[in-house]
Amino acid sequence: QKEVEQNSGPLSVPEGAIASLNCTYSDRVSQSFFWYRQYSGKSPELIMSIYSNGDKEDGRFTAQLNKASQYVSLLIRDSQPSDSATYLCAGPSGGSYIPTFGRGTSLIVHP
Amino acid sequence: DAGVTQSPTHLIKTRGQQVTLRCSPKSGHDTVSWYQQALGQGPQFIFQYYEEEERQRGNFPDRFSGHQFPNYSSELNVNALLLGDSALYLCASSGGAGPTYEQYFGPGTRLTVT
Repeated sequence: QKEVEQNSGPLSVPEGAIASLNCTYSDRVSQSFFWYRQYSGKSPELIMSIYSNGDKEDGRFTAQLNKASQYVSLLIRDSQPSDSATYLCAGPSGGSYIPTFGRGTSLIVHP
Repeated sequence: DAGVTQSPTHLIKTRGQQVTLRCSPKSGHDTVSWYQQALGQGPQFIFQYYEEEERQRGNFPDRFSGHQFPNYSSELNVNALLLGDSALYLCASSGGAGPTYEQYFGPGTRLTVT
């Protein structure tokens, strides 16, 4: 089992809708998680980090962490075509603090 | 505020050759990590440098080596290149070595091995 799992998608949502991206992890001691956005041909760009159970909001983005169920999610409100990208989830695993990345979920926001 | 920079942008090498990639961290950062990203995959951790020492290493062979300089910049060296080494090589910097430090990526170096 991969340590950080994401559905590769693509996830297709209409413009203005809420996009929900999910990630599960296997390391119960993981404490910090990161969401990155990666446009095709570009490098990953940090969107948000989350360390505590619950929600963390930043503009149109909300990260949610549930340590009991071992999942972390990213909600994008009022999705725009410019949000179309691959979203990478990352979290420490295997006793190391180095983030392990999922393979990413492709998001397509259509007008 | 200067972000993470990497050079070169693109590189084409022949199997068996050696390559050196360079990275300058974001201003104020002292920790550099290197990742390899194959097409359609998430970045795979190669190693991390902090205080000029390799602190953590991923599951990569000894052909992959690195260095960090006193100004915190870093190099990634790959010897005896294989076709499978073709990938996007990413450098990420952070303000320290630990689980809560956010990593910021550079633009990457696209390596093609023929």
